[in-house]
Amino acid sequence: AQSVTQLGSHVSVSEGALVLLRCNYSSSVPPYLFWYVQYPNQGLQLLLKYTTGATLVKGINGFEAEFKKSETSFHLTKPSAHMSDAAEYFCAVSGGSGGNKLVFGAGTILRVKS
Amino acid sequence: GAGVSQSPSNKVTEKGKDVELRCDPISGHTALYWYRQSLGQGLEFLIYFQGNSAPDKSGLPSDRFSAERTGGSVSTLTIQRTQQEDSAVYLCASSSGLAGSYEQYFGPGTRLTVT
Repeated sequence: AQSVTQLGSHVSVSEGALVLLRCNYSSSVPPYLFWYVQYPNQGLQLLLKYTTGATLVKGINGFEAEFKKSETSFHLTKPSAHMSDAAEYFCAVSGGSGGNKLVFGAGTILRVKS
Repeated sequence: GAGVSQSPSNKVTEKGKDVELRCDPISGHTALYWYRQSLGQGLEFLIYFQGNSAPDKSGLPSDRFSAERTGGSVSTLTIQRTQQEDSAVYLCASSSGLAGSYEQYFGPGTRLTVT
């Protein structure tokens, strides 16, 4: 079975500081990995994805993530936080025995301080 | 183009009543998913439809839950004899179903409150 662990249910950064949200996954086959963002009372918006190819993937709003197979990680970063980045972020995995359904981590709430 | 839409946006029902939640996927998307988001359980997969194949119902929590997809487009999730633990946000997502395209696009969700 596939699983996702997001380290830190809450992360707080200052505006302009580096954002780092951690995600580790478990999968017996090559995974497809995703980061989604959820603003209050809204659905999930896709930030970026990794399926195959380049391990450093860039997404919307200046976010990027690097797939590291040896570390089973897919951490999300952004060089400079903006107030509008405050939201909840979910890492998800699919593929292999899990088929196309997404298995989500518990989420990380990002707070940006002015 | 239009995204995934869901209705109603909010539903309050009494324990024991049946409810129907509707999802309109992105036009042309052959794959459709239902998930549930609750405080205690996080985001959970419920059911998956792909084209004319038999749906993957492995995530449905009990036989009170069912879903259908008519004409390969609109889907309805039905919960019979609702219980308080069914209170959650029900999210629908669709994807193109094409090989190599695995991302899912989510609707705004239906917030279900069982009183």
